[in-house]
Amino acid sequence: GAVVSQHPSRVICKSGTSVKIECRSLDFQATTMFWYRQFPKQSLMLMATSNEGSKATYEQGVEKDKFLINHASLTLSTLTVTSAHPEDSSFYICSAGLLARETQYFGPGTRLLVL
Amino acid sequence: QKEVEQNSGPLSVPEGAIASLNCTYSDRGSQSFFWYRQYSGKSPELIMFIYSNGDKEDGRFTAQLNKASQYVSLLIRDSQPSDSATYLCAVTGGSSNTGKLIFGQGTTLQVKP
Repeated sequence: GAVVSQHPSRVICKSGTSVKIECRSLDFQATTMFWYRQFPKQSLMLMATSNEGSKATYEQGVEKDKFLINHASLTLSTLTVTSAHPEDSSFYICSAGLLARETQYFGPGTRLLVL
Repeated sequence: QKEVEQNSGPLSVPEGAIASLNCTYSDRGSQSFFWYRQYSGKSPELIMFIYSNGDKEDGRFTAQLNKASQYVSLLIRDSQPSDSATYLCAVTGGSSNTGKLIFGQGTTLQVKP
């Protein structure tokens, strides 16, 4: 199957700092990447859809100025959590889509803890 | 009505039994159907996808799709304790056709030795 990586796997930061999370498709080109957030014992929540070379599409209720998404190439998308606060602590997961049949493969996730 | 519905469980089966996981969806235009497995603290892992009515088998897993009834299921034969996880049903290709996965809330499966 297709492989998607994320970096870092875990990050702890102080309140008010910014954190960048990278998502890479390792063995295929992904025209579309998706960013999710998951709080403990809750379902995945889609935050935004990232398309290569164009602006990301954010889901309702997600602040685009707080969660900056850049999809500069067909294999890399980044999510930057700006001015992070403790309530942003969560499990952030990206997925990358193969154009045919819309199959999505998930990265291993990044666990963010904001102190 | 939720777009994709699953019984949250937990569904408990003895080791070696068949586990049957069910999912219904509301958008009749949905075209692609996926089953993901998520272990606690991990990200989802794709198990199977199915596009056409009928059964699709892959090892111990069988996905079943009935578009007329808007129903998709996953059967796990010879269940093992390592199958204990949350199983997420997801669909795409509905009326909005954005490529976004619409997830159910997941069914927790417990396989007891």
